[in-house]
Amino acid sequence: KAGVTQTPRYLIKTRGQQVTLSCSPISGHRSVSWYQQTPGQGLQFLFEYFSETQRNKGNFPGRFSGRQFSNSRSEMNVSTLELGDSALYLCASQSDTGELFFGEGSRLTVL
Amino acid sequence: AQSVAQPEDQVNVAEGNPLTVKCTYSVSGNPYLFWYVQYPNRGLQFLLKYITGDNLVKGSYGFEAEFNKSQTSFHLKKPSALVSDSALYFCAVRDMNNNAGNMLTFGGGTRLMVKP
Repeated sequence: KAGVTQTPRYLIKTRGQQVTLSCSPISGHRSVSWYQQTPGQGLQFLFEYFSETQRNKGNFPGRFSGRQFSNSRSEMNVSTLELGDSALYLCASQSDTGELFFGEGSRLTVL
Repeated sequence: AQSVAQPEDQVNVAEGNPLTVKCTYSVSGNPYLFWYVQYPNRGLQFLLKYITGDNLVKGSYGFEAEFNKSQTSFHLKKPSALVSDSALYFCAVRDMNNNAGNMLTFGGGTRLMVKP
């Protein structure tokens, strides 16, 4: 079974631009969550989607948004990028027994 | 609100010695507890979980964790450390009685260094 796939793995943007990250969950998993990892703040929950509906949202500004498609694939978007948005963005899908399985992440650098 | 504390930023241990990585948690309801490991430039890998039942949980790569309700702790252990165990370890909690979906709250992480 293929794992969680995130694209792109690395990207560089400049302040003010926007970015879209993609996540394909493990086949059969319907819940997808996104986390931001930074050296200063650690791992922070962004949002969770289940069956195309946002089920939960973390404490991030409205510049951070996401969506889920009917095939469970998910995207997250960050608009008007700031230097502080530089981070590793991790996507996870949930198994029937409750574990979250994470992708390798998308490392975003904002210049 | 739920929270996790990993009191040690780094744990150093010699290869072959037992290791313990500490974790304490706080939730209003029943906890659902996890340990994950992260290698450089990689995502998080699931090690083990506790839901209910036996307080000693066995996981991947010879790791185990002991749930202690009275001390609200979930320490990660391994009887004999390997150099290849050197990585960043995260403890996480989810409140099973909270309508927070699958949101996990993570600790700050503990870097484990195993020296030959």
